[in-house]
Amino acid sequence: NAGVTQTPKFQVLKTGQSMTLQCAQDMNHNSMYWYRQDPGMGLRLIYYSASEGTTDKGEVPNGYNVSRLNKREFSLRLESAAPSQTSVYFCASSEVGGRSSYEQYFGPGTRLTVT
Amino acid sequence: RKEVEQDPGPFNVPEGATVAFNCTYSNSASQSFFWYRQDCRKEPKLLMSVYSSGNEDGRFTAQLNRASQYISLLIRDSKLSDSATYLCAVNMGGNYQLIWGAGTKLIIKP
Repeated sequence: NAGVTQTPKFQVLKTGQSMTLQCAQDMNHNSMYWYRQDPGMGLRLIYYSASEGTTDKGEVPNGYNVSRLNKREFSLRLESAAPSQTSVYFCASSEVGGRSSYEQYFGPGTRLTVT
Repeated sequence: RKEVEQDPGPFNVPEGATVAFNCTYSNSASQSFFWYRQDCRKEPKLLMSVYSSGNEDGRFTAQLNRASQYISLLIRDSKLSDSATYLCAVNMGGNYQLIWGAGTKLIIKP
């Protein structure tokens, strides 16, 4: 039981390049999330998917797109990377319903640098 | 005013001491509350959910004060391994999102 996995762990991009961050969970959770974390700013939600087939914008969606490929997988795409997107990106998942609703479980993160 | 606020610290505490920190939230309709622990360069990990009646897990006690709109985390008999950043998260109802505090850094000294 791996929980939430993310690839890659590290990435360096040049301005204007594109890339996709991959996330998968094996906990059979319905909801999945993408966050970015910058020093002193806490976790900020980029996009989330309440259930398979749905996606919604979070607090900071500009410059990103997402795909909920199936119940397990939720990818984040940067179409044209900018230095302001240098950050640590975390994927998370949660169950819906019951006492543990909203408890989110995180992947190990992707450290992205855009030069 | 931020929706969820925490004192960034750092809290420098001697090993064996008791330490407590709070997290305030702005929305009185908030429904679910959590404490997470984040080690340096690692992902946040759920420490405990905070229930209306409060809850305890070993050396850790979490409390909810709805009247004053804050949650608290108390750590007793602190260990060196408790050094980390502690994040609070709040669900404000209506959707599945959690709103996060920026974290409180705790340093336990020998």
